[in-house]
Amino acid sequence: DGGITQSPKYLFRKEGQNVTLSCEQNLNHDAMYWYRQDPGQGLRLIYYSQIVNDFQKGDIAEGYSVSREKKESFPLTVTSAQKNPTAFYLCASSITREGGYTFGSGTRLTVV
Amino acid sequence: ILNVEQSPQSLHVQEGDSTNFTCSFPSSNFYALHWYRWETAKSPEALFVMTLNGDEKKKGRISATLNTKEGYSYLYIKGSQPEDSATYLCASCSSNSGYALNFGKGTSLLVTP
Repeated sequence: DGGITQSPKYLFRKEGQNVTLSCEQNLNHDAMYWYRQDPGQGLRLIYYSQIVNDFQKGDIAEGYSVSREKKESFPLTVTSAQKNPTAFYLCASSITREGGYTFGSGTRLTVV
Repeated sequence: ILNVEQSPQSLHVQEGDSTNFTCSFPSSNFYALHWYRWETAKSPEALFVMTLNGDEKKKGRISATLNTKEGYSYLYIKGSQPEDSATYLCASCSSNSGYALNFGKGTSLLVTP
């Protein structure tokens, strides 16, 4: 079955360490996205990519980095520069602007 | 309106009641309006994508309307069932934002038997 896989589901890291969240899709979707959710807030866009080897900053890109070397994969690195990294991270993909997003199951990152 | 706003924030109805939620979005450079259902411990699931003013879409007991000129969309649930309990997200994208969606905070619906 086609879908999006995010791993791991839960992640704990010490403050000051970089951490990479995985997102893989086998839907042949061109566009992929990373969102962050904090309590009481809507999903906020971190980065998105419309094609391989190209990506754009979203509203809250500071302290994050991404790569899009393959169509299927869009990993997100949370760097030590991100001031408040503890959050729930959702990855999504879409085939076109008209198409609905398909979401992964999310990664809950806790930095201690 | 610069952001996507949803109301109410939460709603508690009895099984069998019909209900509706509102989504307000920026009408300038509008391209598409999405509705998603997000059940606890699951991934958000796409319900509707609407692009034209006056669009109406229906999926079972759930329907949605779109007014792009005034920047609002309504989601209706007829005869609510406990399995409709979820957070309903609205999101819009503009013609100058690529494919990226701007999400509202959601409306949390609880349907009790």
